[in-house]
Amino acid sequence: EAQVTQNPRYLITVTGKKLTVTCSQNMNHEYMSWYRQDPGLGLRQIYYSMNVEVTDKGDVPEGYKVSRKEKRNFPLILESPSPNQTSLYFCASSPRDRSGSGNTIYFGEGSWLTVV
Amino acid sequence: QKEVEQDPGPLSVPEGAIVSLNCTYSNSAFQYFMWYRQYSRKGPELLMYTYSSGNKEDGRFTAQVDKSSKYISLFIRDSQPSDSATYLCAKRFSFGNEKLTFGTGTRLTIIP
Repeated sequence: EAQVTQNPRYLITVTGKKLTVTCSQNMNHEYMSWYRQDPGLGLRQIYYSMNVEVTDKGDVPEGYKVSRKEKRNFPLILESPSPNQTSLYFCASSPRDRSGSGNTIYFGEGSWLTVV
Repeated sequence: QKEVEQDPGPLSVPEGAIVSLNCTYSNSAFQYFMWYRQYSRKGPELLMYTYSSGNKEDGRFTAQVDKSSKYISLFIRDSQPSDSATYLCAKRFSFGNEKLTFGTGTRLTIIP
């Protein structure tokens, strides 16, 4: 079954304690990204990766790091979490749109993160 | 001005009604337009994907794009309680740029 898997799904942590949210996809997709979803603000892109070892900032990258050492994995790292990073996080993947005809972007189930 | 504007609702309609959901956007460079459906505590799932101006139909769903007005719509015919969800419009730039820009979402409830 094609899927994007995130872990943990739910986490409460304290300010300053480093954490990593893992993301893995089994569809051999080149493109992966992280979004956060906040009430009234919708989904905003944090970081994205066009392929292995290729990452770039999205709209709200401050306070986050990512890495893409393997094609299937794209972890999101919060080096020193703060309460304003309390949010619902989604990982997404898609194949490269080589033809320009459009493609489907698959989202994970989401990770609820609370920083106290 | 946000790049993508969407009325957050909430919107409640009786079962069987026609639902109209709308988005406007400000950047004419957007080329691809999508509607995602998101159930509570779930990830968004792609509902409709369109490139050009005009209508695209898929079962009870019709996506309409008017590039001259920078306006997109989603129509749901014969609405069902299972259609109750948050609907997100999304835009993407042209070929080679995968980044999605989302509206804030409209929360829809279909009343049996």
